[in-house]
Amino acid sequence: KNQVEQSPQSLIILEGKNCTLQCNYTVSPFSNLRWYKQDTGRGPVSLTIMTFSENTKSNGRYTATLDADTKQSSLHITASQLSDSASYICVVSLNTGGFKTIFGAGTRLFVKA
Amino acid sequence: KAGVTQTPRYLIKTRGQQVTLSCSPISGHRSVSWYQQTPGQGLQFLFEYFSETQRNKGNFPGRFSGRQFSNSRSEMNVSTLELGDSALYLCASSSGVDYTEAFFGQGTRLTVV
Repeated sequence: KNQVEQSPQSLIILEGKNCTLQCNYTVSPFSNLRWYKQDTGRGPVSLTIMTFSENTKSNGRYTATLDADTKQSSLHITASQLSDSASYICVVSLNTGGFKTIFGAGTRLFVKA
Repeated sequence: KAGVTQTPRYLIKTRGQQVTLSCSPISGHRSVSWYQQTPGQGLQFLFEYFSETQRNKGNFPGRFSGRQFSNSRSEMNVSTLELGDSALYLCASSSGVDYTEAFFGQGTRLTVV
């Protein structure tokens, strides 16, 4: 069964600290993995996209890693800011005909001053 | 380049009524996907339209339907509304060919009373 599981479900950190969010997937055939940031009440915004051959991808203070062998990905946030408070969603796309994607439930991050 | 536009942003309906939501994708994008997001369930895939044809469908009842026009704009219709249909409805626009990037609209917040 194609699934995407994220952990932790929620996380509270102090401003300026680093954190790492996890995403494990059992999706086949794998096409790509994306991390999205979603502010409350708004649409998700893409942070990174990685294909099978990519191990790491950065976008400012956000760095995503992908281990296609273990089917794990992580999103590392450096020097967190209050504006990083949001839900972070891991999305895995299947390499089949059509736009088939599996969404994780997300990790809710709270950054406190 | 204009982003994905969803209308209306907010909607309040009564149980039993029907509702139509609209999504205008990014110019040149031929794929529009619809998602339902509730606090308890996260993002759930409804269906995807590509070149006016439904290409993928999620596990939602027949009360949820959609269509896509020749200009790629898409509408989603929910008939016989139930309280549980209250959610944020998001649409995502992509080229539909390479599956590498999907851009989300701001969503329509539907409240069923």
